[in-house]
Amino acid sequence: KAGVTQTPRYLIKTRGQQVTLSCSPISGHRSVSWYQQTPGQGLQFLFEYFSETQRNKGNFPGRFSGRQFSNSRSEMNVSTLELGDSALYLCASSGGTGRIGGYEQFFGPGTRLTVL
Amino acid sequence: LAKTTQPISMDSYEGQEVNITCSHNNIATNDYITWYQQFPSQGPRFIIQGYKTKVTNEVASLFIPADRKSSTLSLPRVSLSDTAVYYCLVGDNTGGFKTIFGAGTRLFVKA
Repeated sequence: KAGVTQTPRYLIKTRGQQVTLSCSPISGHRSVSWYQQTPGQGLQFLFEYFSETQRNKGNFPGRFSGRQFSNSRSEMNVSTLELGDSALYLCASSGGTGRIGGYEQFFGPGTRLTVL
Repeated sequence: LAKTTQPISMDSYEGQEVNITCSHNNIATNDYITWYQQFPSQGPRFIIQGYKTKVTNEVASLFIPADRKSSTLSLPRVSLSDTAVYYCLVGDNTGGFKTIFGAGTRLFVKA
């Protein structure tokens, strides 16, 4: 079974631009979560989508948004980039239907975003 | 808001048992506690999950006391390849459900 894939793996943007990251979950998984990882803040939950609906959301500003398509693939968008948005963005999929805390999450390798 | 605390780093030698404790308060009462392992340039990988008491699988054990205010990941007989960062993950119901990762414990296994 193929794992979680994320594209692109690396991205360089400048302040004020916007960016879209993509995540393809494991086949059959309907839950997709996004996390931001930085040396200072660690791993922080952005949001979770299940069957095309945002089910849970972390404490990030509205510049961070996402969506999920009918094939469970998900995209995350960050508008008006700031220097502090430089991070590794991780996507995880889960085969469970209940809350993500109760199921194993399978993580992709991440997209390394650098904002200059 | 749920808060987690883990030791920043730990050192061990090959063949020893390693115990990493995560303290967590205000976690969601009906949610699991999960531990993940992360190697450089990779996403976290699931190790073990439990709700209370003790859970064991082929790679680790997880001990959770009755008050669920902490959990201890036990790695038996570590090897050099267990050098990684270990995270606890809990659920938080404050203002809507979200998952909270601990800051991570960097385990360094020496020969």
